[in-house]
Amino acid sequence: QSVLTQPPSISAAPGQKVTISCSGSSSNIGNNYVSWYQQLPGTAPKLLIYDNNKRPSGIPDRFSGSKSGTSATLGITGLQTGDEADYYCETWDSSLSFYVFGTGTKVTVL
Amino acid sequence: QLQLQESGPGLVKPSETLSLTCTVSGASISSANYHWGWIRQPPEKGLEWIGTIYYSGSTYYNPSLKSRVTVSIDTSKNQFSLKLTSVTAADTAVYYCARQIIMIRGDSIFNWFDPWGEGTLVTVSS
Repeated sequence: QSVLTQPPSISAAPGQKVTISCSGSSSNIGNNYVSWYQQLPGTAPKLLIYDNNKRPSGIPDRFSGSKSGTSATLGITGLQTGDEADYYCETWDSSLSFYVFGTGTKVTVL
Repeated sequence: QLQLQESGPGLVKPSETLSLTCTVSGASISSANYHWGWIRQPPEKGLEWIGTIYYSGSTYYNPSLKSRVTVSIDTSKNQFSLKLTSVTAADTAVYYCARQIIMIRGDSIFNWFDPWGEGTLVTVSS
């Protein structure tokens, strides 16, 4: 069981905005930086956000990240059918001494 | 363009050792700027970090797997490897290798995995 909790699923219509939460504690999100990954069906995860809110080259600005206290959030605006995927947060847990992924959220575009 | 490719047996018997290799192309595995990691994903489940290695050979392991895991590096071949001993059906998963960026700012750690290999399914079954 992961120490980072995400909602199992979120759905929205094309063009809408969704936010995915990642809830942790002071030993992980509270004191370290968060990254987010998109895993399209049948493919490897892909980096979407690093350093809480930075986008790698090639990632559209429809994707955004933020962090407040012991929680992080991934936002997706202008939802597209191609955004249907599993999304994971990730960070370092200082108490457990390992890199931890969130439980994952499946985004469905209605 | 940096690419990573996992290779190794797709079927391992229970109690035996799982061995995988990740071949890195497009960049030197000896770069002081990067670490190299293994992550796995059981069927229909989430991601689990296994371990990370630096070009110097320094390693970091998931505490839950530490007693069974060894990650090694071969800079001459631009490869790094994973060995997981005494496997059971619970070790059946897609295994990914990835470049990992790790930085420390004060008491906080930055890290991210990018890019990832395409992954390889390893099934533990007799």
